[in-house]
Amino acid sequence: DAGITQSPRHKVTETGTPVTLRCHQTENHRYMYWYRQDPGHGLRLIHYSYGVKDTDKGEVSDGYSVSRSKTEDFLLTLESATSSQTSVYFCAISESGLVYEQFFGPGTRLTVL
Amino acid sequence: AQKITQTQPGMFVQEKEAVTLDCTYDTSDQSYGLFWYKQPSSGEMIFLIYQGSYDEQNATEGRYSLNFQKARKSANLVISASQLGDSAMYFCAMREAAYSGAGSYQLTFGKGTKLSVIP
Repeated sequence: DAGITQSPRHKVTETGTPVTLRCHQTENHRYMYWYRQDPGHGLRLIHYSYGVKDTDKGEVSDGYSVSRSKTEDFLLTLESATSSQTSVYFCAISESGLVYEQFFGPGTRLTVL
Repeated sequence: AQKITQTQPGMFVQEKEAVTLDCTYDTSDQSYGLFWYKQPSSGEMIFLIYQGSYDEQNATEGRYSLNFQKARKSANLVISASQLGDSAMYFCAMREAAYSGAGSYQLTFGKGTKLSVIP
């Protein structure tokens, strides 16, 4: 199994509070991704990183920011959480190239009240 | 337009029977990859199988095979001899060259098909 961990695994927070989710990998893969999964939508890309300090937006980036100061860590921050950000968040990693699958972390279930 | 379409929100199959999960895709790239993932009720995302756009043969991995019809832009997953443990959500995904290279190598996912295996 690919070495990807996410923390926390579950979190309940209140509207307006900041939240940071962490993704940690031990595979030294260049690419890291944050997705959210909602019923009826599949997985949608929030942000991704293609190297240390190199990040870019995905399909649903509004209200989220990311940082990657080390190869192994990719942080997702909700500056001011809203109820619409209640979701399951997945981190994924990948090597460069079309043929390589993405390996997913176990997910974080976030509830914003 | 959706890039990945999975038209079957839910399917049932009898144990030990084969089942086909549909996936159609939309891309103007000549170079792309197609992936299938399984998500059991425990929530993890499990990679099953990959098909490259230039691969001449259909991909196979154990009981999983991919029925790749490039002209029709379809990449259906076939599960042979279904088992109770195959009950899960199944997602089709695509990686396009246009979103790769110095870019993201991102995957675009369909909305999934929930497969239930009946004993």
